Amino acid sequence: EAQVTQNPRYLITVTGKKLTVTCSQNMNHEYMSWYRQDPGLGLRQIYYSMNVEVTDKGDVPEGYKVSRKEKRNFPLILESPSPNQTSLYFCASSVTTTGTGELFFGEGSRLTVL
Amino acid sequence: DAKTTQPNSMESNEEEPVHLPCNHSTISGTDYIHWYRQLPSQGPEYVIHGLTSNVNNRMASLAIAEDRKSSTLILHRATLRDAAVYYCILRRGNEKLTFGTGTRLTIIP
Repeated sequence: EAQVTQNPRYLITVTGKKLTVTCSQNMNHEYMSWYRQDPGLGLRQIYYSMNVEVTDKGDVPEGYKVSRKEKRNFPLILESPSPNQTSLYFCASSVTTTGTGELFFGEGSRLTVL
Repeated sequence: DAKTTQPNSMESNEEEPVHLPCNHSTISGTDYIHWYRQLPSQGPEYVIHGLTSNVNNRMASLAIAEDRKSSTLILHRATLRDAAVYYCILRRGNEKLTFGTGTRLTIIP
């Protein structure tokens, strides 16, 4: 089954404790992206990657890092989490296209930073 | 970035057609118009996309204005399961994608 898998789905952590949210897709997609969703602010893009070793900033990259060492994985790293990073996070992937590619989303990871 | 504008919320009666509007006055010639929806407690899911011509699939229809500065997602017969937040986005390629806040659709039984 084609899917985007995120882990963990739920996490409560404390300020400053490094954490990684993993994202894996089994569709051989080149494009992968991270979003955060906050009440009243919709979906905002954090980082995206057009292929292995190619990443770029989205609208809200501050406080986050990403890496793309393998095509299927695109982890989101919070080196020193802060309470304002409490949010619902979504990973998405699609084929590389001129704009026709359908985005497939994971089920989301709800992160709480105390 | 090309931006889209959607109403914050809409209501529709069950089994009636629903027309969800989207304005994208700064659209460029290579931008595709995509629609996604997000059901409660789920990630967004793809609905439909188009470039210039109207499009139909099993979920919905997409009507695109001749000047491409607006589009309308049409749900032909709304059901309670169609209650969701609907996002209209423009996609040129593998670039930064802006989703915005979407339209919250409420279906009245």
